[in-house]
Amino acid sequence: EAQVTQNPRYLITVTGKKLTVTCSQNMNHEYMSWYRQDPGLGLRQIYYSMNVEVTDKGDVPEGYKVSRKEKRNFPLILESPSPNQTSLYFCASSPGYSSYGYTFGSGTRLTVV
Amino acid sequence: GEDVEQSLFLSVREGDSSVINCTYTDSSSTYLYWYKQEPGAGLQLLTYIFSNMDMKQDQRLTVLLNKKDKHLSLRIADTQTGDSAIYFCAETHTGGGNKLTFGTGTQLKVEL
Repeated sequence: EAQVTQNPRYLITVTGKKLTVTCSQNMNHEYMSWYRQDPGLGLRQIYYSMNVEVTDKGDVPEGYKVSRKEKRNFPLILESPSPNQTSLYFCASSPGYSSYGYTFGSGTRLTVV
Repeated sequence: GEDVEQSLFLSVREGDSSVINCTYTDSSSTYLYWYKQEPGAGLQLLTYIFSNMDMKQDQRLTVLLNKKDKHLSLRIADTQTGDSAIYFCAETHTGGGNKLTFGTGTQLKVEL
């Protein structure tokens, strides 16, 4: 089944403890992207990648890192999480042509205490 | 920069039509999308429209685009309880690197 898989689905952590949210897609898509969803703000792009070893900042990149060493994987790293990073995170992938849109993962709900 | 706005809530009776509205600011928008988010799930692409089109119909869904007013709407005919969800409009634009810019989402509640 064609899909984007994120792990974990739920995570509670403490301020300052490094964490990684994994994302993997099995559709051989070029584009991958991370979004965070907050009430009243919709989804905002954190980072995106147009291909292996090519990443760039989105609208809200502060406090996050990403890497794209392989085409299928695009992990999101929080080096020192803070409570304002408590949010619902989505990974998404796209083949790169706009009529397709993006395929989204099921989301990771992160709580930083 | 680009901005996409939606009303936050809409309540309709089962069997009625729902109309969800969206306005955007970027005149270089190329594709406009409607996504559906059910509770606890990711976003599912419902439909999209290219910016040189006025209307697109897909079964119970009708998308209308008024490019002059930068207004997009999604009409759901014969709305069912299974249509209860959050609906997001989103756009991509020329030179945007395939980036999706989302609206705030409209919570649709379908009542019996």
